[in-house]
Amino acid sequence: QSVLTQPPSVSGAPGQRVTISCTGSSSNIGARYNVHWYQQLPGTAPKLLIFGNNNRPSGVPDRFSGSKSGTSASLAITGLRTADEADYYCQSYDISLRVWVFGGGTKLTVL
Amino acid sequence: EVQLVESGGGLVQPGGSLRLSCAVSGFTFSSYWMTWVRQAPGKGLEWVANIKQDGSEKYYVDSVKGRFTISRDNADNSLYLQMNSLRAEDTAVYYCARRIAETATGGHFQDWGQGTLVTVSS
Repeated sequence: QSVLTQPPSVSGAPGQRVTISCTGSSSNIGARYNVHWYQQLPGTAPKLLIFGNNNRPSGVPDRFSGSKSGTSASLAITGLRTADEADYYCQSYDISLRVWVFGGGTKLTVL
Repeated sequence: EVQLVESGGGLVQPGGSLRLSCAVSGFTFSSYWMTWVRQAPGKGLEWVANIKQDGSEKYYVDSVKGRFTISRDNADNSLYLQMNSLRAEDTAVYYCARRIAETATGGHFQDWGQGTLVTVSS
């Protein structure tokens, strides 16, 4: 059971918009720790997608965006492409457990 | 170009030891916290350990405390993870990553290596 809760899977058609939620608590996201998102394409290492809740590293297209409110965060992907099929993980810090925490991951399928 | 290249993984028996290495290039290694993250087969990501720029602070997930030791050699741009008393549940791909943070808590993992597989089995 992950400290940060994500849906196991989401899906959408090419060109559509999907969102992936990440629900935490008052000891992590609600404690004002930033949320970060990683994309893991099949068989590869994770790649930073969003940092500091809503910032994109250089090279990440603006089709990817992040938001945070209260004890939750979301990743939105617009203009879905088949190349976006991957596992997506949220990450933050938990002040009670004193560990860096990841969500359980969400598998995105582009139909 | 930033590169992190892990090595040292392999098959080891329960109770055995292994030392992972991560060779870094493309950024000033001594200026950043570094991290190990692992991923068990078919599972999600799990943070394992962090080490401060000068090695003076180290943090571990409870499940590896007393068994794993993170270290670094800034002169050689290398990060290490000494793993002792290995258990079946330590089986995973181990990634090294560069941590970006202003303080000891929080932060994110900017760059990742390709990972090295550790299999603990008899």
